[in-house]
Formats: sequence, C-alpha cells, structure tokens
Amino acid sequence: DSGVTQTPKHLITATGQRVTLRCSPRSGDLSVYWYQQSLDQGLQFLIQYYNGEERAKGNILERFSAQQFPDLHSELNLSSLELGDSALYFCASSVSGGRNYNEQFFGPGTRLTVL
Amino acid sequence: DAKTTQPNSMESNEEEPVHLPCNHSTISGTDYIHWYRQLPSQGPEYVIHGLTSNVNNRMASLAIAEDRKSSTLILHRATLRDAAVYYCILRDVSRYGGSQGNLIFGKGTKLSVKP
Repeated sequence: DSGVTQTPKHLITATGQRVTLRCSPRSGDLSVYWYQQSLDQGLQFLIQYYNGEERAKGNILERFSAQQFPDLHSELNLSSLELGDSALYFCASSVSGGRNYNEQFFGPGTRLTVL
Repeated sequence: DAKTTQPNSMESNEEEPVHLPCNHSTISGTDYIHWYRQLPSQGPEYVIHGLTSNVNNRMASLAIAEDRKSSTLILHRATLRDAAVYYCILRDVSRYGGSQGNLIFGKGTKLSVKP
C-alpha cells in the first residue's frame, strides 16, 4: 500500500459524458501528479500540482482539467469523453517535486471505460 | 529529456540474479537515472535511483557505467513477485529549475520469472 488513494476504482460511462477522478496523496506530500496509461501510448504524464498550484503540464488534452484543493487532494476532470479516453489513470504524490528528488508514490489507479 | 533503450522482455529463474540493462548514450551530466517497476494490475513503484556511483537498497542494486552511457538494475535473487515491467528513466533536475518532477516513461522491460 503506497498510501495514495484513488476513487473510484472502476468507471464505465458513455461518449460525450463528463467524469471526475479523485486522488488523496500520502500524508505530508505536497505534489500530486496525474498519469494516463493506455495500451497504445503507455504511461504518459498529464499534469502536476504542488501545494495547490499547477506546476507542470504534459500531454493533457484541453477537454481534461485538474485542480488541487487546500486539503491537498486532487481531482481530474475529463469531459466530452471519447472512446480513446478509455485508460488507466494513475495519481502519484511526492513530498516536493522539484530539484531535490523525492520518489513518487503511485495510487492503484482508476480504470475508465468509455462505451 | 535524454532517451533510454531497454530490451522489450527478459526471462529469469526464481532465486537467480537478474541483470536488467538500460542504454542512455545521450545522458547529460545532470541526468539522474531512476528505475521504477509496475507489477501486474498495480501502479508503478520506485525501485532505485543514482547519478554516478553504484547504489544499493533493500530492493535492488544499480550499477552505473563509468561513462554513464549505460546502467544495470540488479535483482540479487529474483522471486515470483518480481515479475513486472521495469522502467529506466532519466530526469534532468537542472532543466526543471526545481519546479517540476514528472517522470517520462518508455516501454520498459517486461521481466518474467519462472519457478
């Protein structure tokens, strides 16, 4: 158990819909990262938040957005869903997230299926 | 970030040592070498990281070539639980100026362990 929790574990929805994935980082970790893992693209970094502020953006679509709340939990919002958005979405957290490297702890993931 | 090259797959026998290679011929002086692994149906987990010197921890050892163009992750006695995809990742801390910590995953090496 990494200490990072993600809900829900599974999500099945239809094209065009909107969903919210939730992540609670390990106690004390200020950085939250979101990654997407699909069969054809592998593990891809989406976005990072540090202490409530956006720190880095990766291959995140405009239809996707995220935020980190004052209690440090984070939500990833996916809208206008397409079949190709079906994937595993992982959240990771670390103490900081900058020059002084801290290992990232990954949650168990949310499996999103878009029908 | 500099690119890494790993074999697609490797096989090992249980209780034997495993040497997982990683080539990174374009590595820069400020690139750290990280290894993560992903067990089936789980999120990635940190294994080890290093810069120039060989590193040991409870999970594995990291042997870094003198010219740093390659490295090897060593599992001293493979167990069935070590069957996973192993990712070798370079991260340039100087480029990110202390504000970003995202990981860029390649395809990794799928390690199978035979009883």
